[in-house]
Amino acid sequence: GQQVMQIPQYQHVQEGEDFTTYCNSSTTLSNIQWYKQRPGGHPVFLIQLVKSGEVKKQKRLTFQFGEAKKNSSLHITATQTTDVGTYFCAGSYSGGGADGLTFGKGTHLIIQP
Amino acid sequence: DTAVSQTPKYLVTQMGNDKSIKCEQNLGHDTMYWYKQDSKKFLKIMFSYNNKELIINETVPNRFSPKSPDKAHLNLHINSLELGDSAVYFCASSNGGPLYEQYFGPGTRLTVT
Repeated sequence: GQQVMQIPQYQHVQEGEDFTTYCNSSTTLSNIQWYKQRPGGHPVFLIQLVKSGEVKKQKRLTFQFGEAKKNSSLHITATQTTDVGTYFCAGSYSGGGADGLTFGKGTHLIIQP
Repeated sequence: DTAVSQTPKYLVTQMGNDKSIKCEQNLGHDTMYWYKQDSKKFLKIMFSYNNKELIINETVPNRFSPKSPDKAHLNLHINSLELGDSAVYFCASSNGGPLYEQYFGPGTRLTVT
């Protein structure tokens, strides 16, 4: 089946450092979503990207969708302890109602104060 | 007012037993999902229901059966539980297919002994 590869699996940073997680698909995606899961919590929707080359920002978070719609990234500037958690990308290959989202394996962000 | 709720939150049971997990959403969404998250936090879709019809059925054992009495509920019934079924199970809902954000429930941690 189609897969969305996500790296790195774990990322340790010092508080205040930047963080980036990457997702890659061998097949063109219809759209990509990003979710955050806090320790012990459930995934929470952050954003959706649909257009080729799209860039969206939410405060310290910057999301990008590649020109070929095969890759995406999430960048956090100046991490804070509240950023701790697992970040998942989730892509769709058809965008239609009969398809679902394929989740990447997630990047666990660990922040050292 | 909880958007997506699941019961129970924790479920400990022995191998061979049959158990059910209930899910309810009060968002008026027409699509509901069940996900399994293993110990490595990998999130994998199991089922999707749209207007009471199963539209995705990933390669899960037929011991797992989703049941939807109405649009607001999607329950998960598991027969003959095995050790490998131990995981966190998340219910989610969305207002359509993969172009819409998904709202996750708090999860049910299932432990099979």
